[in-house]
Amino acid sequence: KAGVTQTPRYLIKTRGQQVTLSCSPISGHRSVSWYQQTPGQGLQFLFEYFSETQRNKGNFPGRFSGRQFSNSRSEMNVSTLELGDSALYLCASSLVSRGDTEAFFGQGTRLTVV
Amino acid sequence: GQQVMQIPQYQHVQEGEDFTTYCNSSTTLSNIQWYKQRPGGHPVFLIQLVKSGEVKKQKRLTFQFGEAKKNSSLHITATQTTDVGTYFCAGPLSSASKIIFGSGTRLSIRP
Repeated sequence: KAGVTQTPRYLIKTRGQQVTLSCSPISGHRSVSWYQQTPGQGLQFLFEYFSETQRNKGNFPGRFSGRQFSNSRSEMNVSTLELGDSALYLCASSLVSRGDTEAFFGQGTRLTVV
Repeated sequence: GQQVMQIPQYQHVQEGEDFTTYCNSSTTLSNIQWYKQRPGGHPVFLIQLVKSGEVKKQKRLTFQFGEAKKNSSLHITATQTTDVGTYFCAGPLSSASKIIFGSGTRLSIRP
């Protein structure tokens, strides 16, 4: 079965712009989590969606938002981009929203803000 | 808030040497997961430990979960170049909570 698909794979934006990233989870998976990965900060949790509802949220400013659609696909939006938002954004899908469930990661979207 | 720390941050070993990374949580974990991320890749699930004191093996990899369920370790025996990557531990505060990833240990190997 197909894995987690993230689009686009690479993105270059300028400061002040906004960006939308997409994640299609594994078929049947209803939980989607988003992470920001930077060399200095490791994997930082952004938020988790399950059945179109945000279940958990990390410590990121309100410029970072997300949503999940009825087919479990999820989007993440970052508004008013800053240079520090340059990172690899990973999404992970799980069958259910539980902390003891294996997470399957997508290849990520590498965002560069210039 | 809850933190999950890993040490060391980096480890550079000669091929054939052993490698260990340690994971410590500020709070009790209901379970611990380990992931491996190859350079340029994405994290891939390796294993999950649930019981206090649990030990699991996958070929040359040995995973342990501490008695107090606040720490864990991953030991690789006789490293090979295919072991290169960053190893992350991850755990939730409770079985219904979001997963917190450790800071990761990057393993590099001299052939």
